[in-house]
Amino acid sequence: GAGVSQTPSNKVTEKGKYVELRCDPISGHTALYWYRQSLGQGPEFLIYFQGTGAADDSGLPNDRFFAVRPEGSVSTLKIQRTERGDSAVYLCASSLTSGRGNEQFFGPGTRLTVL
Amino acid sequence: AQSVTQPDIHITVSEGASLELRCNYSYGATPYLFWYVQSPGQGLQLLLKYFSGDTLVQGIKGFEAEFKRSQSSFNLRKPSVHWSDAAEYFCAVGARDDKIIFGKGTRLHILP
Repeated sequence: GAGVSQTPSNKVTEKGKYVELRCDPISGHTALYWYRQSLGQGPEFLIYFQGTGAADDSGLPNDRFFAVRPEGSVSTLKIQRTERGDSAVYLCASSLTSGRGNEQFFGPGTRLTVL
Repeated sequence: AQSVTQPDIHITVSEGASLELRCNYSYGATPYLFWYVQSPGQGLQLLLKYFSGDTLVQGIKGFEAEFKRSQSSFNLRKPSVHWSDAAEYFCAVGARDDKIIFGKGTRLHILP
């Protein structure tokens, strides 16, 4: 079956612009996670959804970052007034449900470059 | 605080040689531990996981890992590496609040 997909695969933008990154989770997965991976680092947690609601957004770095999942499936990560430090690979993962024992399946990521 | 340390940034081994990648974790309760592999242009793929029970865990692609509570370690091993194993490997701990906390990764290079 289809895995987690993310679009676009690459996004180049200019400092100060607004960007949206999309994640399509595995069908039927109720939990969805966003991570950010900077160069030379491991992925860092940003936010996760159980259904339509954000269960934990403690990893969002500041109020320029926002994510939605209005129908409990597709999610969009939105970044306002982008800064060069936002350049990273943004990873999305989904799992059948939330909980420590549930395997998270990762998408290929969106590479964001802010010039 | 929960954390994962992978002390080796790069490891180089010859094809056919054995491999051990080190991982140490800090977690106050019983840890859920993972090893993921990331190949260029690919998403993170789960190699294996430890939740409880037998401390030697078998995974995909011939990998195994051993949980040692006394050493707070979860080292990844493979008896004989193949050129296709060249990738970045991440050790991770599953936190109580569903987050996964990753180490910084070890990049594995294979010599022909």
